[in-house]
Amino acid sequence: EDQVTQSPEALRLQEGESSSLNCSYTVSGLRGLFWYRQDPGKGPEFLFTLYSAGEEKEKERLKATLTKKESFLHITAPKPEDSATYLCAVQANSGYALNFGKGTSLLVTP
Amino acid sequence: KAGVTQTPRYLIKTRGQQVTLSCSPISGHRSVSWYQQTPGQGLQFLFEYFSETQRNKGNFPGRFSGRQFSNSRSEMNVSTLELGDSALYLCASSFGGRRTDTQYFGPGTRLTVL
Repeated sequence: EDQVTQSPEALRLQEGESSSLNCSYTVSGLRGLFWYRQDPGKGPEFLFTLYSAGEEKEKERLKATLTKKESFLHITAPKPEDSATYLCAVQANSGYALNFGKGTSLLVTP
Repeated sequence: KAGVTQTPRYLIKTRGQQVTLSCSPISGHRSVSWYQQTPGQGLQFLFEYFSETQRNKGNFPGRFSGRQFSNSRSEMNVSTLELGDSALYLCASSFGGRRTDTQYFGPGTRLTVL
């Protein structure tokens, strides 16, 4: 059975303090791994898609990387507006459903 | 370009009632997926429709059903509501082609069952 585990569950950072969020997964044939950001009361907002081990993608202060067993979301010099829940999801070759982790709740304080 | 829209945004029902939620995908998208989000279980996949056909189904009871229209708009229905059905119901749309394509989410419908 496909599984996605995110850690830590919650993370508090000072503004400018870089860190990484982890997403460990097991899937029978990875079609893609997705990162989303979700603000309270809103739907998830797409950030990145990674398809194969070794792939990296960047957007502003965020960088996502992928290995055969996990993905990292690196946040460089975060700002308070980066506070949100970050969700990781995998899509298997067998279907179109996204299998989500429980998310990491990030709080960045000034 | 308009995003995914969902109506209504908020809904309060009582146990035993039924409810219908609506989703309009991004223009040009032919795939619509539905997810249930609760604090305990997180985001869970309900079903996915493409060109009016259900292609994938999650592990939810038969009380949860859906359909898709020729214009790609989709509805989901929950019959005989239970307290545990209280959740944020999210709809996501994508092109639906064979290659992995991104699912874009709507704002959700917050359902409260009393």
